[in-house]
Amino acid sequence: TQLLEQSPQFLSIQEGENLTVYCNSSSVFSSLQWYRQEPGEGPVLLVTVVTGGEVKKLKRLTFQFGDARKDSSLHITAAQPGDTGLYLCVRGGSQGNLIFGKGTKLSVKP
Amino acid sequence: ETGVTQTPRHLVMGMTNKKSLKCEQHLGHNAMYWYKQSAKKPLELMFVYNFKEQTENNSVPSRFSPECPNSSHLFLHLHTLQPEDSALYLCASSSRDRNHYGYTFGSGTRLTVV
Repeated sequence: TQLLEQSPQFLSIQEGENLTVYCNSSSVFSSLQWYRQEPGEGPVLLVTVVTGGEVKKLKRLTFQFGDARKDSSLHITAAQPGDTGLYLCVRGGSQGNLIFGKGTKLSVKP
Repeated sequence: ETGVTQTPRHLVMGMTNKKSLKCEQHLGHNAMYWYKQSAKKPLELMFVYNFKEQTENNSVPSRFSPECPNSSHLFLHLHTLQPEDSALYLCASSSRDRNHYGYTFGSGTRLTVV
């Protein structure tokens, strides 16, 4: 299966807290992307990871690609209300399309 | 503004109406896509166009009819829709290795079928 499992599905936290969301699959990815979708907008690409064990940082966001390239995590440090949105894990499909997870809906309250 | 423009942003239509969604990109991308986003479901790929040619039709009902007159414009023609077709319809474009370079999405059209 090429399905992506994201957890948690929903997350509501206070401003300043840290959080981690996860993306898992039973099959190996050649690459994996994370998108963020704000309410009323389309998804926006945050990062692409390609190499097993790779870690990328984007300000307070840290993305990690598992050594076996079957999983990934996104860690946010000191979350802010502007981080609120739907975080989508995305991988390439066998037909060249992208396969999306259901996403983690994050709400950061001031 | 992401570089992919979708109009209208919101659309309410009756089940007997005919309407069209429009997508435009001037990013020089050679592939364009229609996705459907419903509550509690992952984004569902509907259609793919590469260099104006449709390369994928993901078992979409015929009441949805895509049109790609050139590599910068994509339309989705709608007729005799059902209430369960209410969703956010997203257009995206990509270039080169989409698995590495990702997609650029428009802001979507929020469609309500009444």
